[in-house]
Amino acid sequence: DTAVSQTPKYLVTQMGNDKSIKCEQNLGHDTMYWYKQDSKKFLKIMFSYNNKELIINETVPNRFSPKSPDKAHLNLHINSLELGDSAVYFCASSGPAGTYNSPLHFGNGTRLTVT
Amino acid sequence: AQSVTQPDIHITVSEGASLELRCNYSYGATPYLFWYVQSPGQGLQLLLKYFSGDTLVQGIKGFEAEFKRSQSSFNLRKPSVHWSDAAEYFCAVGAEGNTGKLIFGQGTTLQVKP
Repeated sequence: DTAVSQTPKYLVTQMGNDKSIKCEQNLGHDTMYWYKQDSKKFLKIMFSYNNKELIINETVPNRFSPKSPDKAHLNLHINSLELGDSAVYFCASSGPAGTYNSPLHFGNGTRLTVT
Repeated sequence: AQSVTQPDIHITVSEGASLELRCNYSYGATPYLFWYVQSPGQGLQLLLKYFSGDTLVQGIKGFEAEFKRSQSSFNLRKPSVHWSDAAEYFCAVGAEGNTGKLIFGQGTTLQVKP
């Protein structure tokens, strides 16, 4: 009955590979997000989708492509992985974007290590 | 540009002692402010939030925070810390434009001594 679940929890891969991280939420939320936490634990938003529509696209390399097949899922695909992509990636969801009354619910993160 | 600063990267307190974690924000209008806690290997959990009204807000796990507009601060407090409070604490502000985006501070690591 996990609210926001991400898979895999750990991902170790080599430079140049393509990988995907999946996220699902069962909270009935309209909005989903991807955040990146770097080695210094700094959290920064990457993308946000509201009801399958992209609403936030921060300055992220176009090797990163989010995909939302429905409002309960937001996957992150990364092409041509680089060493600097190593980080913890968090998925989150909330009520309708623009209503901060609905706080973010975070998944437990996916630790990506690129070697 | 909006920003959040947590001046203390690392804090150590003894179990049972009081705690205050500092947070300063930069935002022109009335901010939406949040405190989140991250335990090792876990996602972030909301402790409390401030939108308007009473400037002293109560949260879960015995935490409270006070919004002070004159100081652009939203400090987190707890009167008596428990060993299980050891974690990473993040202050955040809701970004302008009401997109739901949060801007986080760099976090404060809390260590609790027995």
